[in-house]
Amino acid sequence: GDSVTQMEGPVTLSEEAFLTINCTYTATGYPSLFWYVQYPGEGLQLLLKATKADDKGSNKGFEATYRKETTSFHLEKGSVQVSDSAVYFCALSDQGGFKTIFGAGTRLFVKA
Amino acid sequence: DAGITQSPRHKVTETGTPVTLRCHQTENHRYMYWYRQDPGHGLRLIHYSYGVKDTDKGEVSDGYSVSRSKTEDFLLTLESATSSQTSVYFCAISERGLSSYNEQFFGPGTRLTVL
Repeated sequence: GDSVTQMEGPVTLSEEAFLTINCTYTATGYPSLFWYVQYPGEGLQLLLKATKADDKGSNKGFEATYRKETTSFHLEKGSVQVSDSAVYFCALSDQGGFKTIFGAGTRLFVKA
Repeated sequence: DAGITQSPRHKVTETGTPVTLRCHQTENHRYMYWYRQDPGHGLRLIHYSYGVKDTDKGEVSDGYSVSRSKTEDFLLTLESATSSQTSVYFCAISERGLSSYNEQFFGPGTRLTVL
């Protein structure tokens, strides 16, 4: 079945460091891919999405490119801030399917 | 922010007791979902609804039932709670359903502890 695998955390970075969180997926057909972010004590919220191969999603300085050849959707940010500390979830949704599948989440800590 | 509330926000109960969690939305979205979040598992879908009185099972539905008598309310019931159901429960809504372009909006979560 479809699945999402993302790098285990926690990831600890200093402010202004470069961030990469790896995400790979297994799916039939042509899924859409998402990154959600969860701040402490809150529900998830959509950070960015890409709906077809080679699309780049971007938001708040974060970006991720849908790579069909490597079945990957890695999250990157050039310069992280303390306020980026959160849990990040990679997810996929089958085209015309009935569920969104989430990765296990990666916790990010950013130190001042 | 999408208008989604969950109640209660925290609950401690004992094994064998029934528990009902409520999700209420003010967005008039057609689709509603219940997930549980556990360390190392991400979010797993319990049940979802695609309209009033229309519901279906997700990947971890055993021990849970749902009801949706109004567009705005989606109830999750644990008929007889067990310790394995200790978790954080999230409700989510969407307008376009589970299509490729679906964006889900999440409630703040309910932390349930079963002793």
